Amino acid sequence: NAGVTQTPKFQVLKTGQSMTLQCAQDMNHNSMYWYRQDPGMGLRLIYYSASEGTTDKGEVPNGYNVSRLNKREFSLRLESAAPSQTSVYFCAGNSGGYSYNEQFFGPGTRLTVL
Amino acid sequence: AQSVAQPEDQVNVAEGNPLTVKCTYSVSGNPYLFWYVQYPNRGLQFLLKYITGDNLVKGSYGFEAEFNKSQTSFHLKKPSALVSDSALYFCAVRPLRGATNKLIFGTGTLLAVQP
Repeated sequence: NAGVTQTPKFQVLKTGQSMTLQCAQDMNHNSMYWYRQDPGMGLRLIYYSASEGTTDKGEVPNGYNVSRLNKREFSLRLESAAPSQTSVYFCAGNSGGYSYNEQFFGPGTRLTVL
Repeated sequence: AQSVAQPEDQVNVAEGNPLTVKCTYSVSGNPYLFWYVQYPNRGLQFLLKYITGDNLVKGSYGFEAEFNKSQTSFHLKKPSALVSDSALYFCAVRPLRGATNKLIFGTGTLLAVQP
């Protein structure tokens, strides 16, 4: 099993450009999550999908959109990138619902916006 | 507001000595508690969790954590540190209210183990 995979690993954008970060999991997770990691701020939740067909805003959703394409895939889109979106982005998944199962994380995408 | 605090940005310890990485939380009720580790340029890896029962939980790589309800703390411990334990450690809390399995993360503590 590949677990949680993310593409690309690295990306450099210019201000105003758009891009989509891809995430896929083969662990049969119901719930999937997008986080951003910034120095001194830990991980902050951008969007999550509690189950296939649903998405909800997290703590820092402005400037982002998501799509839960199917149970396996959960993408994050930046429509008009800004330097403040320079960060490391992590996708995660778990069983969701009322379970106490831990989240499994992908390797991350390091994004720089110039 | 619900929050998780990791009061130390960095913890330095000599190899072979015991280590403690602190975590306190402010969440109503009895939440689920987690520790994750992040090695350089990698994603987070699950270490251990507290759900209920014995206040001392054991996890991967010889780590353990002690839940203290009265102090709302969940400190990570290891009896004898290894250089390979050097990494960034995150405490996380899953509030019990609501059906969504969202986590609230602390800001992380960098553990540096000197040989």
